[in-house]
Amino acid sequence: EPEVTQTPSHQVTQMGQEVILRCVPISNHLYFYWYRQILGQKVEFLVSFYNNEISEKSEIFDDQFSVERPDGSNFTLKIRSTKLEDSAMYFCASSARTAPYEQYFGPGTRLTVT
Amino acid sequence: AQSVAQPEDQVNVAEGNPLTVKCTYSVSGNPYLFWYVQYPNRGLQFLLKYITGDNLVKGSYGFEAEFNKSQTSFHLKKPSALVSDSALYFCAVVFMEYGNKLVFGAGTILRVKS
Repeated sequence: EPEVTQTPSHQVTQMGQEVILRCVPISNHLYFYWYRQILGQKVEFLVSFYNNEISEKSEIFDDQFSVERPDGSNFTLKIRSTKLEDSAMYFCASSARTAPYEQYFGPGTRLTVT
Repeated sequence: AQSVAQPEDQVNVAEGNPLTVKCTYSVSGNPYLFWYVQYPNRGLQFLLKYITGDNLVKGSYGFEAEFNKSQTSFHLKKPSALVSDSALYFCAVVFMEYGNKLVFGAGTILRVKS
């Protein structure tokens, strides 16, 4: 069964450093998403991406964040200058054109900012 | 604003007994409703969804959920709990009028004891 994959599974970085989280969505999906889950808190929407552009973003997704689909398979989330409060589990998700609301999630990347 | 409530932080049930995990949502348009499960160190796994049609929907692993429009609820149920059902369960809503983003509840820990 096709699945969303994410790398790395765990990333440790120092405050102020740039990080790139990578995702490979399900191959025939056209909608892509990033969510995050701070430890002990609910899963929060960050951004959605369709047709090579951001379709929606939350208040969390400020100028420090960016997303890119550099090729036909990868979908990345970049945090330019990490803060302690960026420490969280980041989930990538994708969905098909025929059912954009039915999102399939990757296993997540745990980001620890020290 | 769209919101989802899971009123119980934790549900404890004995193996073989029926289980219910509660979810309610705020009224705003026509919601699409979902349940996801998260096992330790794993991503979010899709369990079931309600889009339209029959109010009782069946999903993976013997779970089902009932959409109740008058009570704005979408409780997750299973007739006979298994120890392996122990996990963190999230209810989520998409309000299509506001895009494809999932709005998650805070999650409910389900503990099934043998």
